[in-house]
Amino acid sequence: EPEVTQTPSHQVTQMGQEVILRCVPISNHLYFYWYRQILGQKVEFLVSFYNNEISEKSEIFDDQFSVERPDGSNFTLKIRSTKLEDSAMYFCASSEPGGTFYNEQFFGPGTRLTVL
Amino acid sequence: GQQLNQSPQSMFIQEGEDVSMNCTSSSIFNTWLWYKQDPGEGPVLLIALYKAGELTSNGRLTAQFGITRKDSFLNISASIPSDVGIYFCAGHTGNQFYFGTGTSLTVIP
Repeated sequence: EPEVTQTPSHQVTQMGQEVILRCVPISNHLYFYWYRQILGQKVEFLVSFYNNEISEKSEIFDDQFSVERPDGSNFTLKIRSTKLEDSAMYFCASSEPGGTFYNEQFFGPGTRLTVL
Repeated sequence: GQQLNQSPQSMFIQEGEDVSMNCTSSSIFNTWLWYKQDPGEGPVLLIALYKAGELTSNGRLTAQFGITRKDSFLNISASIPSDVGIYFCAGHTGNQFYFGTGTSLTVIP
């Protein structure tokens, strides 16, 4: 069964460093998303992406964050200058093109980001 | 951001019992979704609801989209040990998705 994959599974970085989290969505999906989950808390929406541009973003997704689909398969989240409070699990998700099914998002296993 | 309140926060039940949890919001949502998250993994979609009043089943799971569009419930019948996990509701409105605070379910064999 097709699935969303994410790399790395765990990323440790120093405060102020840039990190890039990578995701490979399900191949026929056209909507892509990033979420984060701080340990023990709820999942928080960051951004949605469709047709090579951001569809929506939350207040969390400030200028330190950017997303890109550099080729036909990868979807990346970049954090320009990491802060301690960026430590969290980051989930990528994707959903099918169009109609109501674009709400049915399939999540990857997550990347645990630890900022020291 | 939007606030989705789930209750109960945690549940401890005996295997075989039925489970009921709900999610409420002060805002209207166009879609309600229910996810299950196992430790260290991403959420897995259980049920998606698209119309007010809609009642949908997926095996032992049943969920309903509240008439007011401000709430939803999830029922699990005849619980089994593998039902253990955290259950999240999620609502979609304004092209954003908001997750609830989660209900932690423990099933005692």
